[in-house]
Amino acid sequence: KQEVTQIPAALSVPEGENLVLNCSFTDSAIYNLQWFRQDPGKGLTSLLLIQSSQREQTSGRLNASLDKSSGRSTLYIAASQPGDSATYLCAVRLLLTGGGNKLTFGTGTQLKVEL
Amino acid sequence: DGGITQSPKYLFRKEGQNVTLSCEQNLNHDAMYWYRQDPGQGLRLIYYSQIVNDFQKGDIAEGYSVSREKKESFPLTVTSAQKNPTAFYLCATTAGRGNEQVFGPGTRLTVL
Repeated sequence: KQEVTQIPAALSVPEGENLVLNCSFTDSAIYNLQWFRQDPGKGLTSLLLIQSSQREQTSGRLNASLDKSSGRSTLYIAASQPGDSATYLCAVRLLLTGGGNKLTFGTGTQLKVEL
Repeated sequence: DGGITQSPKYLFRKEGQNVTLSCEQNLNHDAMYWYRQDPGQGLRLIYYSQIVNDFQKGDIAEGYSVSREKKESFPLTVTSAQKNPTAFYLCATTAGRGNEQVFGPGTRLTVL
């Protein structure tokens, strides 16, 4: 059974700091991996999608890497801002017998960027 | 604008009542999903549907039911058989398995 772990569970940093969020998964046979942001009481916003054949994806100040063999992904946030404060979730997509697919989520890292 | 709408935003239910949560999308995506989110836990998959008139159970389907009569709509019914229904419910869609999953704004259900 696929398990996804995110460390740390919570993180507080001063504005301007570069930071790394970690995601690990137990089954390396993933189809892709997706990073999300969730603000309190809101739905999830997709940040980056990395296919299993890719090593990294970048969008603005965000960079996500994927190492399938070691079962790890990192989300790098450059020059953090107070507006980056949110919970960050990673999810891995597995293919199911019968053609379906599903995402398995980690429990998230709650980030607070302080002035 | 294309997107996913969920209604209502907040829902209160008395014990023993069935309630239905709405999820509508105009993204023309084939696959739709329902997740449940509890504090301190990751999202858990309730049901998913890859095409109209077809759906499969996820990891925690007991006490829930769905239908997929139209591509645009995937309503979730929380039945009285669901013993602990208070949670945040999220609907999502995907264009294809290689594409990103897109989420709606969620419905918060509280049992009184």
